[in-house]
Amino acid sequence: SQTIHQWPATLVQPVGSPLSLECTVEGTSNPNLYWYRQAAGRGLQLLFYSVGIGQISSEVPQNLSASRPQDRQFILSSKKLLLSDSGFYLCAWTPWGIGNEQFFGPGTRLTVL
Amino acid sequence: EDQVTQSPEALRLQEGESSSLNCSYTVSGLRGLFWYRQDPGKGPEFLFTLYSAGEEKEKERLKATLTKKESFLHITAPKPEDSATYLCAVIDQAGTALIFGKGTTLSVSS
Repeated sequence: SQTIHQWPATLVQPVGSPLSLECTVEGTSNPNLYWYRQAAGRGLQLLFYSVGIGQISSEVPQNLSASRPQDRQFILSSKKLLLSDSGFYLCAWTPWGIGNEQFFGPGTRLTVL
Repeated sequence: EDQVTQSPEALRLQEGESSSLNCSYTVSGLRGLFWYRQDPGKGPEFLFTLYSAGEEKEKERLKATLTKKESFLHITAPKPEDSATYLCAVIDQAGTALIFGKGTTLSVSS
């Protein structure tokens, strides 16, 4: 069966510090991968998606970037965090291509102080 | 612009008191509508996918239905363990992302 992992589970970082969040999927190959952010009082917002190694598409302009160095690994990064980057970051995957249900990881709670 | 609106924002029920959650959407060419359950501090858990008007899906005490403009999540005889936030999302023919509503937070008391 397929499993999706995210780490760390929680993170507290000062403004201006770098960020690296990791997501890995087990038990499948060539998944589509997604990064979402869930802010308080707002719905989930898609940040990035990837259909393959090295292929990244950004949905919204922001202080963040994403990379996919391996088939089942997706990384969310920032060089300098802003207060507005605080939120709950969720990684998701789908095995069937764009347009089908997505399965979410456990999430990373990021607090920028 | 594609939009998803869920109502009510919060719903309190007594155990065994059936009710429905609403998800209305405006999207150009619906490709699919999805329901998720999210517990506090956790990632959303997939429940159902509906693809066309008239379609229905059931899982235990939950039943999802779809019309051309909205979807309902019916909860029959809920139990306290059904307490969670229920999220609705859509994807259009040309889209990549799931477009989520803000969710309905359900509280079921015994």
